[in-house]
Amino acid sequence: EAQVTQNPRYLITVTGKKLTVTCSQNMNHEYMSWYRQDPGLGLRQIYYSMNVEVTDKGDVPEGYKVSRKEKRNFPLILESPSPNQTSLYFCASSSPSRQTNTGELFFGEGSRLTVL
Amino acid sequence: SQKIEQNSEALNIQEGKTATLTCNYTNYSPAYLQWYRQDPGRGPVFLLLIRENEKEKRKERLKVTFDTTLKQSLFHITASQPADSATYLCALDPNNYGQNFVFGPGTRLSVLP
Repeated sequence: EAQVTQNPRYLITVTGKKLTVTCSQNMNHEYMSWYRQDPGLGLRQIYYSMNVEVTDKGDVPEGYKVSRKEKRNFPLILESPSPNQTSLYFCASSSPSRQTNTGELFFGEGSRLTVL
Repeated sequence: SQKIEQNSEALNIQEGKTATLTCNYTNYSPAYLQWYRQDPGRGPVFLLLIRENEKEKRKERLKVTFDTTLKQSLFHITASQPADSATYLCALDPNNYGQNFVFGPGTRLSVLP
């Protein structure tokens, strides 16, 4: 089954304690990205990756890091989480729109993070 | 500044009626626009894509229009059912290369039996 898998789904942590949210896709997609979703603000892109070892900032990258060492994995790293990073996080993958008819994003189920 | 807006935060309609959701954008020139459905606690799921040279796209009970002059897309669900209740998001690709999508805030649709 084609899917994007995120872990953990739920996490409560404290300010300053480094954490990593993992993301893995089994569709051999080149593009992967991270979004955060907050009430009233919608989905905002944090980082994206066009391929292995190629990453770039989205609209709200401050306080986050990513890496793309393998095509299937794209972890999101919060080196020193703060309460304003409390949010619902989504990982997504896609193929470049020039190669597919739709260029649609496939989303994971989300990771709800609370930073106390 | 660049903006993408959806006209209603929430929309209630009676079962069987047509739901119409609006997506407006400012200072973008997208080659295509997408619509997604999101259920509570779940990730968005792709529904439809419409390109700038397409006036209308249909999929079962769904219909999307795209007016690049008005900078607007309309999303219609005909013969709506309670199972259609969800949040609907529009999204566009500012660079038209499938890298970084911008999403509207969403419209929460409730179809009442």
